[in-house]
Amino acid sequence: GQSLEQPSEVTAVEGAIVQINCTYQTSGFYGLSWYQQHDGGAPTFLSYNGLDGLEETGRFSSFLSRSDSYGYLLLQELQMKDSASYFCAVSSGDKLIFGTGTRLQVFP
Amino acid sequence: GAGVSQSPSNKVTEKGKDVELRCDPISGHTALYWYRQSLGQGLEFLIYFQGNSAPDKSGLPSDRFSAERTGGSVSTLTIQRTQQEDSAVYLCASSLRLAGGPWETQYFGPGTRLLVL
Repeated sequence: GQSLEQPSEVTAVEGAIVQINCTYQTSGFYGLSWYQQHDGGAPTFLSYNGLDGLEETGRFSSFLSRSDSYGYLLLQELQMKDSASYFCAVSSGDKLIFGTGTRLQVFP
Repeated sequence: GAGVSQSPSNKVTEKGKDVELRCDPISGHTALYWYRQSLGQGLEFLIYFQGNSAPDKSGLPSDRFSAERTGGSVSTLTIQRTQQEDSAVYLCASSLRLAGGPWETQYFGPGTRLLVL
């Protein structure tokens, strides 16, 4: 079967760094994506890792280890607007399988 | 249009009624996906289309759910004889092609919030 695990909730203060982990079990793995969703909003794409290693996009970085079936999203210099839910998703076959999401709360 | 659009944005219906949810993908996107999201939950895959074909219907919860896509563009998700457990946000996404690479980012619509009384 296919499954993804990520923490349900993470809290941090403005300016801090937070890491959201994601472990997965799937067949036909192509890559790991991360999506952000604000309350009442639609998910929006953040990053994609098709190969092992770190991808950096501004304040956000994402990491993948295919041998460990593990990845993480790293958010630096946290801002209040980063408070949202973050979903990891694996590309498996012809579709994306989403995790249950990690709710990030950033406090002043 | 510039993004994925969905209609209606909100739908309240009575148990047992049929509902139709519409998705208008980004022009030129060949792949279209339907998801369901219950309050505070993750995204549950329902079905996807490549062009007008639906190779994978495995996520549809029951035979009360069906979907079609015409002209490689607009898609309609139909729920027959709605039940209270169908209450959720139904999200549509489109991408240039099937999932599997960085160029296949999925772009989501704002969703339809369905409430079955």
